[in-house]
Formats: sequence, C-alpha cells, structure tokens
Amino acid sequence: DIQMTQSSSYLSVSLGGRVTITCKASDHINNWLAWYQQKPGNAPRLLISGATSLETGVPSRFSGSGSGKDYTLSITSLQTEDVATYYCQQYWSTPYTFGGGTKLEIK
Amino acid sequence: DVQLQESGPGLVKPSQSLSLTCTVTGYSITSDYAWNWIRQFPGNKLEWMGYISYSGSTSYNPSLKSRISITRDTSKNQFFLQLNSVTTEDTATYYCARTVGTPWFAYWGQGTLVTVSA
Repeated sequence: DIQMTQSSSYLSVSLGGRVTITCKASDHINNWLAWYQQKPGNAPRLLISGATSLETGVPSRFSGSGSGKDYTLSITSLQTEDVATYYCQQYWSTPYTFGGGTKLEIK
Repeated sequence: DVQLQESGPGLVKPSQSLSLTCTVTGYSITSDYAWNWIRQFPGNKLEWMGYISYSGSTSYNPSLKSRISITRDTSKNQFFLQLNSVTTEDTATYYCARTVGTPWFAYWGQGTLVTVSA
C-alpha cells in the first residue's frame, strides 16, 4: 500500500495569511493526487485533482503543486470559511489511501 | 445532479454483520463510474473500503477482503455494503462516494455513523 503522510496535524494561521499543507507519498504517484476539505459534520469536499487542477467552484486562493512523492496545498488570503481539516489522497494504485489530515485553525 | 444517501442501522453488535445501503439519484449506477464505500474512524482517519463499477465488477481493500462484499440492485439504483464479523474497531462514519472516471471522489453522501457495541 502507498502510505500518505501529512507531517502537520495542526496549523495555526492568521486571517489573510498564507498556509502551505504538505503531503508525502511513500512511492511515486505521478501527480495522481487529490485534496479534500472537510468541515465538522460534513463529508469531505473535493478541492483539487491531478495535484493541480482546481475543481469548479473552488476559490482561486486554493492551489496545488508537487511531483513525484511530494505535494502541497496552498491557501492564500485565508478566510474564516477555510477553517477545516484538509486531506490528501492518492489514486495511483489500489488501495486508494488518504493522508491523516491537517486541521487548520485561525491564530 | 447526482446525489448519494446512506442508510442502515446505527448500532451493530460485535461478531454480527454491518449492512448499509447507498441510494443514488440523478444518475444511473449502470451508466458509468465506480461506486465506492469509504469510512472515517473516530480520530478522523479515512479508509477506502472498495467499489462496485458500473459494469458490476468489484475491487476491495485487501485489509478487508475476507469480510467485505459490495453488491447492487440496479432496479432501485442502489448499492450495498456488507461487512462481516465486525468488532468495535469497525465503529466509524460510513460514506458512499462516486468517482468521475479517474478515482478521486467528487460526490459523497452525507455519511452514516455506525457504532459496534454490545
């Protein structure tokens, strides 16, 4: 199985600030990576697929980058509605696997 | 727009089987894509459990392979999860979700909490 590691479980960021969430795969996944946002009581919401492609309706302050084993989700101009937990997911091979999540808090 | 809705018992006894239904509206499960079950444990870890494809083929997480079965009723546009011999470790929120070709999960149900307890 490909293990997905999000090194930060929690991040505290100021409103209007920029945050970068990292995700590392245990093997190369060729940009077959998705990012999800989850708010309490809700299902995860797909933000980015193919490591960099923003889903329709997702604000442009979200962006994804990376290659090989290392990927990042960046949020600029942080808004209160961005407070959530963010997960990465690889779909290069089954079983599809998720990172442990990074919970974003406002400083 | 496609919508998915999970249903089933919220409480299951240890050693029994967990059975859930995902009812899909707005899209036929036989048209395309893979129809998945994903669970989220207390503490928020997410685990992909498996899928049934539009053609009826299945794929399961090897960690569950001996206990899991995903089936469907095409006349009702529903697919099902059965997990046998459950333990307290199977307590989780269970989601059904759909891919969009490539296996990222664009559509999710709202989730249903299943507690395994005597």
